[in-house]
Amino acid sequence: DQQVKQNSPSLSVQEGRISILNCDYTNSMFDYFLWYKKYPAEGPTFLISISSIKDKNEDGRFTVFLNKSAKHLSLHIVPSQPGDSAVYFCASTGNAGGTSYGKLTFGQGTILTVHP
Amino acid sequence: DAMVIQNPRYQVTQFGKPVTLSCSQTLNHNVMYWYQQKSSQAPKLLFHYYDKDFNNEADTPDNFQSRRPNTSFCFLDIRSPGLGDAAMYLCATSTLAGGETQYFGPGTRLLVL
Repeated sequence: DQQVKQNSPSLSVQEGRISILNCDYTNSMFDYFLWYKKYPAEGPTFLISISSIKDKNEDGRFTVFLNKSAKHLSLHIVPSQPGDSAVYFCASTGNAGGTSYGKLTFGQGTILTVHP
Repeated sequence: DAMVIQNPRYQVTQFGKPVTLSCSQTLNHNVMYWYQQKSSQAPKLLFHYYDKDFNNEADTPDNFQSRRPNTSFCFLDIRSPGLGDAAMYLCATSTLAGGETQYFGPGTRLLVL
């Protein structure tokens, strides 16, 4: 029972173009969503997040969009750079666990390759 | 630099031979997590500590144990590793209030022969 899904295992984009990474979730109790980036031989690092009270959050070249009715979020990277090549994980958390601190449910990741 | 450190980075063990993975942090965070990530799969939470309060996920096998002797250190013990336990093991930390933003170590790749 995979509550967070990233259906595209990989994405290849030309430098300067837009990268769009997608994520779907099934648990309606999730109310906070995050994207992590992972380079080889390193742990995931936090990239950007969005609360369920918003539908968009922007940080520089990175924008996350949330469509609650569709239980879908996406990460847009504009313009894409070769240094953005990494694995991107979406993650979700909410009050379903009844805890006061974050228990993240991750997707399986999308490998982004940005070609020069 | 404040960080999360995992040792060793690569661990080879034999089927059934106990193994311990370690994690240390200089962030002074209350919460520490252990995740298991198998190839091309999502990181899966095994358990977490809020200070010394241990919280096991319902589907974490009994074969996996953990110890947190102090704020800085946390250990993952695999009592009798099987071939299916070969994976990347990720340690992460967070503050109580900012639990959603977790800080990860580089991981330990476990190979079971």
